[in-house]
Amino acid sequence: NAGVTQTPKFQVLKTGQSMTLQCAQDMNHEYMSWYRQDPGMGLRLIHYSVGAGITDQGEVPNGYNVSRSTTEDFPLRLLSAAPSQTSVYFCASTPTGLGGAIQYFGAGTRLSVL
Amino acid sequence: DAKTTQPPSMDCAEGRAANLPCNHSTISGNEYVYWYRQIHSQGPQYIIHGLKNNETNEMASLIITEDRKSSTLILPHATLRDTAVYYCIVRVRSYNTDKLIFGTGTRLQVFP
Repeated sequence: NAGVTQTPKFQVLKTGQSMTLQCAQDMNHEYMSWYRQDPGMGLRLIHYSVGAGITDQGEVPNGYNVSRSTTEDFPLRLLSAAPSQTSVYFCASTPTGLGGAIQYFGAGTRLSVL
Repeated sequence: DAKTTQPPSMDCAEGRAANLPCNHSTISGNEYVYWYRQIHSQGPQYIIHGLKNNETNEMASLIITEDRKSSTLILPHATLRDTAVYYCIVRVRSYNTDKLIFGTGTRLQVFP
């Protein structure tokens, strides 16, 4: 059971470069989301998706794009990396439905922008 | 969206109960309280959640006040491996929204 898989685990970018952080889940979960965590801070929601073809913005969406063409994959794109985007990025997924449910998190991608 | 307030840090002796408080005074009637923890810089790990009744599982107990404005996570017998940052979270859900609103968490240090 792979759960939520994030790649790469580490990445260093130069200012202005673009890249895509990958996130895949094998649990057939409808809901997926991306968070960033800055040092000493809690997680902040960047973008989320309640199903294939549907995405929406979270608290801190600027500078990031997402798409959801399949249930399994939810990539996060940095269009033009900036030092302020240096952070640890977590992807999460959860089944939707009535009542409470658990969000499962990936191991994170540690990104440095120089 | 509802916010949560937690003390920044707490200590607990190994073997004792750790009681972690959380205020969520603006929570709405259909919003759940979740607790996660994060060890080092790993992905957050689910602990427990509840709506208005007290809950217990193999990891912890969750006590929610009758007015739902605060809650307490209880680790009944803390071990050194419970040292982590604990997040009290309000989950906002609707037909097109599902968000976990994280606060800054409580850093729990369990000592021998």
